[in-house]
Amino acid sequence: AQSVTQLDSQVPVFEEAPVELRCNYSSSVSVYLFWYVQYPNQGLQLLLKYLSGSTLVESINGFEAEFNKSQTSFHLRKPSVHISDTAEYFCAVSESQGGSEKLVFGKGTKLTVNP
Amino acid sequence: GAVVSQHPSRVICKSGTSVKIECRSLDFQATTMFWYRQFPKKSLMLMATSNEGSKATYEQGVEKDKFLINHASLTLSTLTVTSAHPEDSSFYICSARVARGGLETQYFGPGTRLLVL
Repeated sequence: AQSVTQLDSQVPVFEEAPVELRCNYSSSVSVYLFWYVQYPNQGLQLLLKYLSGSTLVESINGFEAEFNKSQTSFHLRKPSVHISDTAEYFCAVSESQGGSEKLVFGKGTKLTVNP
Repeated sequence: GAVVSQHPSRVICKSGTSVKIECRSLDFQATTMFWYRQFPKKSLMLMATSNEGSKATYEQGVEKDKFLINHASLTLSTLTVTSAHPEDSSFYICSARVARGGLETQYFGPGTRLLVL
C-alpha cells in the first residue's frame, strides 16, 4: 500500500524567505509524485509533478521539487516566497503516470507567508 | 480550461436527512470522476470512482448504500449522503479525469463542506 507523510502541518515564513515543505512516501511499486496547492476557497490545483527523467521538476511560479528515490522523498522548495504563496500544499502519489487513477494524499502543509 | 465546480459549497443539515452534492465539469466531458473526503487535519481519502453510465467503484470501507453516487451524464456526477449523521460531517471534494497533452490527469473541484447537526 502507498502512503504519504507530510511532516509539517503548518509552516509560517516571512516574505522573501526560502521555504521547504517536506514530503516522504512509501510504496512497493514505481510511483509518480505530485504537489497540489489549494488557495483559500478554491479547489486543488496541480503545482508540479515527477513522472520520469530529471529528478528536479519546476513549476511556473518558482517552486521546485526533487525526487530522491533513496530517501523516498519529494520535498517542495522555493527560494523566495511571496504573500500570494499562502495556501495549503498537498503531496500525492499515484501508480498512474498522470495521476489519472487513485491518488494517495498527505495530510497537507499550510504555508503562511507573513509580511 | 478544465474547470470543475461543486454545489453547494457549504451545507448544514439535520441528522437523518439526505444531502446531495453535485460535481460538474464546466468546459469538458469527463467519463470518470472521483469523490474524496477530507477530515480536519487529515489527508484527502478517495471514496469512490464514478464512471458515466455505470456503477461507481467504492474504496474499501466506504458504504455504498450510505454514499450514493450517480454519474448520469458526461458533465455531472452527484454524491448523496443518505440519512446523514454528525460523523458524516466533512469536506467532500470531487475531481474529473481529462486528457491534456496526451496525458490523463485529474482536475479538482473547490469542495463542499457538510455539517450534520
